[in-house]
Order: sequence, then C-alpha cells, then structure tokens
Amino acid sequence: QVQLQESGPGLVKPSETLSLTCTVSGGSISRRYWSWTRQPPGKGLEWIGYIYYSGSTNYSPSLKSRVTISVDTSKNQFSLKLSSVTAADTAVYYCARVTVTTYYYYSMDVWGQGTTVTVSS
Amino acid sequence: DIQMTQSPSSLSASVGDRVTITCRTSQRISNYLNWYQQKPGKAPKLLIYAASSLQSGVPSRFSGSGSGTDFTLTISSLQPEDFATYYCQQSYSSLGTFGQGTKLEIK
Repeated sequence: QVQLQESGPGLVKPSETLSLTCTVSGGSISRRYWSWTRQPPGKGLEWIGYIYYSGSTNYSPSLKSRVTISVDTSKNQFSLKLSSVTAADTAVYYCARVTVTTYYYYSMDVWGQGTTVTVSS
Repeated sequence: DIQMTQSPSSLSASVGDRVTITCRTSQRISNYLNWYQQKPGKAPKLLIYAASSLQSGVPSRFSGSGSGTDFTLTISSLQPEDFATYYCQQSYSSLGTFGQGTKLEIK
C-alpha cells in the first residue's frame, strides 16, 4: 500500500525559498504523476502543481512564476520549491499521488498527512 | 482559469438525511470533475472522479452526477462519519482549481 510522507522546515523567513520533500513508500514513483496542494489556515484547498516521474511538470498559473517541482527516482522522492515566500504562503502542504484513467481523468487518490509551513521572521 | 462555485457553503443536516451539494464551473468541462471529503486536521480523501465514478472503497451512499457546467454530489443517507467539508475540483486541464468547499454540519 502506497504511503506518502512530507518533510521539510516548518518555519521559513519572508523572501526566502520554501523547500519540501515527499517520500513515497510501498510502491515505485515510476510511471506515475505526483502533486502538491496546500491549504492556508481555515481556508480551502489550492492545487500547486504536479510532476511525472520522467520530470515533465504542470503548475497552477497563479503560482507558476515561483514554483519548481522536481523528482528523484533513485530516492523515490519528489520535491517542492516555492520562492520569494510571504505570509500568504503559510499553509499546510500536502503531497499526493495522481492517478490518470482512460480518457485522461486525473485525480489525487493517495495523500500524505500534510506538513505545516509558517512564513515568519 | 476555470472558476468553481460550490453551494451551499455550509449545510446542517441530520443522520439519515439525503444531502446534495452543487458545484458549478465557469466553462464547460464535460465530466472532468472530482469530489473530495476532508475532516478536520486530516488530508482530503477522493470520493468521486470523472463526475460519477465512485473511488474504490467509498461507500455507495455517495454518488456524483452532472456534465458541462453543473455537477452534484449526493449522500443518500447521512452517517455520523460523513460530517466533514466537501470540495469539488475540475480536472479538465489535467488538474486544477478547487471549489471553496461545503461544510456539512450536524443539525
């Protein structure tokens, strides 16, 4: 059974780069899509982007200029970098597996537990 | 960008009730729509994909319908564990925008 676990600093200073890693266990990262979603305190979900194991990416237009998602198949991990952070980037960050079915229906079917990142000096 | 509008934003209901949540999109997306359930402090859980396909392991009291711009999530008989927040998400452009959420509370 595939499990995902986010890791990274819980506190990031304004203007710096937020960096998180998601470790996939119980299955291979290969031939799959993997995504990041976030949730500010008390608010709704915001999709950030996804990556295919080969390295191709797709980002939310609203975050595209600041986001980089990468993959390390040798470690069964994928990562998120968000640059020039502000207090508005404070959120719980979730990684998830993306399943793509016939006719290209995408959905996030396995999620990590989430990690809280606070942006503050 | 495709805009998502869920209604209502909150809803009070009783165990055993039939409940319907609506999601409307700003442009036609065929049936490229997902529904998720989220409980406090927990990660979202996929309930429905492709507007009406039930994710494996999800109880059959959950159902989804709709196509184009108007979609619904129906819970046929509310159980105590169903009180949560529900989100729709368009998957027309692979993955994308979520609705603002519908909080389902116990009456």
